[in-house]
Amino acid sequence: GAVVSQHPSRVICKSGTSVKIECRSLDFQATTMFWYRQFPKQSLMLMATSNEGSKATYEQGVEKDKFLINHASLTLSTLTVTSAHPEDSSFYICSASQDSNYEQYFGPGTRLTVT
Amino acid sequence: GDSVTQMEGPVTLSEEAFLTINCTYTATGYPSLFWYVQYPGEGLQLLLKATKADDKGSNKGFEATYRKETTSFHLEKGSVQVSDSAVYFCALLAGTYKYIFGTGTRLKVLA
Repeated sequence: GAVVSQHPSRVICKSGTSVKIECRSLDFQATTMFWYRQFPKQSLMLMATSNEGSKATYEQGVEKDKFLINHASLTLSTLTVTSAHPEDSSFYICSASQDSNYEQYFGPGTRLTVT
Repeated sequence: GDSVTQMEGPVTLSEEAFLTINCTYTATGYPSLFWYVQYPGEGLQLLLKATKADDKGSNKGFEATYRKETTSFHLEKGSVQVSDSAVYFCALLAGTYKYIFGTGTRLKVLA
């Protein structure tokens, strides 16, 4: 139980284009989903928190207009990287939580490469 | 602010060797502490956790004890297997949901 998937697992896009990453909770309803970014040999950094049906809460320093997050249902959240640039290349990981319990279940991550 | 420091890897061990991965933290208050494991191509999985001082988390032969006096949560296993090869993340939970992760330690176990 408590499986979270991400799609795609890898994506390459050209600079200036937008790319969407999906995060799905497969066997539970996720009231809260989280998006992290991981640079090589660095920690996971929380980017934003989204609750179903409401606007995402972004961490300090994360551009909300560049990283659009939508959590339209209890099983799906999307992260759209708009007008991507090479410096946006990174590993993006989502996680989901069922309720006010703090335990989060993590997806396998999406590696984005912007050329 | 709150932070987690893990020993850098990679750590390479022979099968059945003893494993220790060090983790220390800095936090105000009394955080919960976690170890997550990430196998190749998979998401992070919760390995074990401890919510208060002197608690010992354990799972699959791995153990870690919440040491408030040394602000540490070192991961140990008495006899590692090849299947334990993965990246291990130490983390603390600050507030209701904000995890703070260490940089991860890659473990490679040789047959």
